[in-house]
Amino acid sequence: NAGVTQTPKFQVLKTGQSMTLQCAQDMNHNSMYWYRQDPGMGLRLIYYSASEGTTDKGEVPNGYNVSRLNKREFSLRLESAAPSQTSVYFCASSALSYEQYFGPGTRLTVT
Amino acid sequence: AQSVAQPEDQVNVAEGNPLTVKCTYSVSGNPYLFWYVQYPNRGLQFLLKYITGDNLVKGSYGFEAEFNKSQTSFHLKKPSALVSDSALYFCAVRPSGTGGFKTIFGAGTRLFVKA
Repeated sequence: NAGVTQTPKFQVLKTGQSMTLQCAQDMNHNSMYWYRQDPGMGLRLIYYSASEGTTDKGEVPNGYNVSRLNKREFSLRLESAAPSQTSVYFCASSALSYEQYFGPGTRLTVT
Repeated sequence: AQSVAQPEDQVNVAEGNPLTVKCTYSVSGNPYLFWYVQYPNRGLQFLLKYITGDNLVKGSYGFEAEFNKSQTSFHLKKPSALVSDSALYFCAVRPSGTGGFKTIFGAGTRLFVKA
């Protein structure tokens, strides 16, 4: 039981490049989330998927897209990376709307 | 606007002493309340939650939290701190009802426990 896994762990992009962050959970949770963590700002919700087949915007969705591929997988795509997207990205999952279980994070630097 | 405040950026405590990490919130209705801990270069780990019932909830690693509805607070406590408790702590609030999937996190409080 791996919980929530994320790939890659680290990534460096140049401005304008694209990439997809992958997330998978093996806890049979219905809901999945993408957050970014910036110093002094806590976690901010980018997108979430309440259940398979649905996605909704969170607090800071601009510049990102998501895909809920199936119940296990929820990916985050940056179409044209910007330096402002330098951050640590966390994926999480939960059963219904209770506590969330987080992956280890992806540290992204955009130069 | 809905918000969560952790008024202390950092809390310092000596090992063996009690600790308190403060959290207040401004959310309508009856929200769900959570505490998470983050160790360096790791994801957040769930500590405890309040949904309903007894105002004092117990969680992992000897932590507990007290819900106070009139003061809209949910302070994290531990009777005797350990050096290994040193980490970043986040309070989180999940509004009930239609906004229930949009958890609001505080900015975090760094706890230092000195031996």
